[in-house]
Amino acid sequence: SQQGEEDPQALSIQEGENATMNCSYKTSINNLQWYRQNSGRGLVHLILIRSNEREKHSGRLRVTLDTSKKSSSLLITASRAADTASYFCATDRPGAQKLVFGQGTRLTINP
Amino acid sequence: GAGVSQSPRYKVAKRGQDVALRCDPISGHVSLFWYQQALGQGPEFLTYFQNEAQLDKSGLPSDRFFAERPEGSVSTLKIQRTQQEDSAVYLCASSVRLAGSLRSYNEQFFGPGTRLTVL
Repeated sequence: SQQGEEDPQALSIQEGENATMNCSYKTSINNLQWYRQNSGRGLVHLILIRSNEREKHSGRLRVTLDTSKKSSSLLITASRAADTASYFCATDRPGAQKLVFGQGTRLTINP
Repeated sequence: GAGVSQSPRYKVAKRGQDVALRCDPISGHVSLFWYQQALGQGPEFLTYFQNEAQLDKSGLPSDRFFAERPEGSVSTLKIQRTQQEDSAVYLCASSVRLAGSLRSYNEQFFGPGTRLTVL
């Protein structure tokens, strides 16, 4: 069973707009990561945020983490057609190695 | 540098057939993971190795699933007597992280996956 839930399940925006995806989880975590998956491809690691961090940036990506609400958000600014993909959050718990993924958000960027 | 590679990329099996899926992790990565991804879903954990030791196999759905990593490098996921519900993408990932390490990072690098279709 999956721990995380992404919201929304699907998002369609115009190129150049910002895209925001949310993730909620149920248990205490060590780290939360965001991955991108293009259709038929493997997962690409985007960014990792530790449980003691609140915000992190990487290029056009901004991730926030609120451990009190057990939630995270991924913001992609100035979206491009190449950002079209599914985005997954994944958590790992203290003492455990495995990642627990959410259901994913399907993002479509319209040119 | 080379990433995680998996073979075959696609496998079609008749129900009841045995299959073997191979994963070559990033050189030097101690940890190796297998995940199963059903269509439209997020990946789900199957099993985890640290070097050659299988430390967690709690996600394997049945005793028809077996994984090994005999020399602490390449890993094989074997599915015996395949069933239609085994149809999925099987993803392998590797990581530098050691269990019990003070380092909290657990960035996992994924291979392209093997898409298994059981007819």
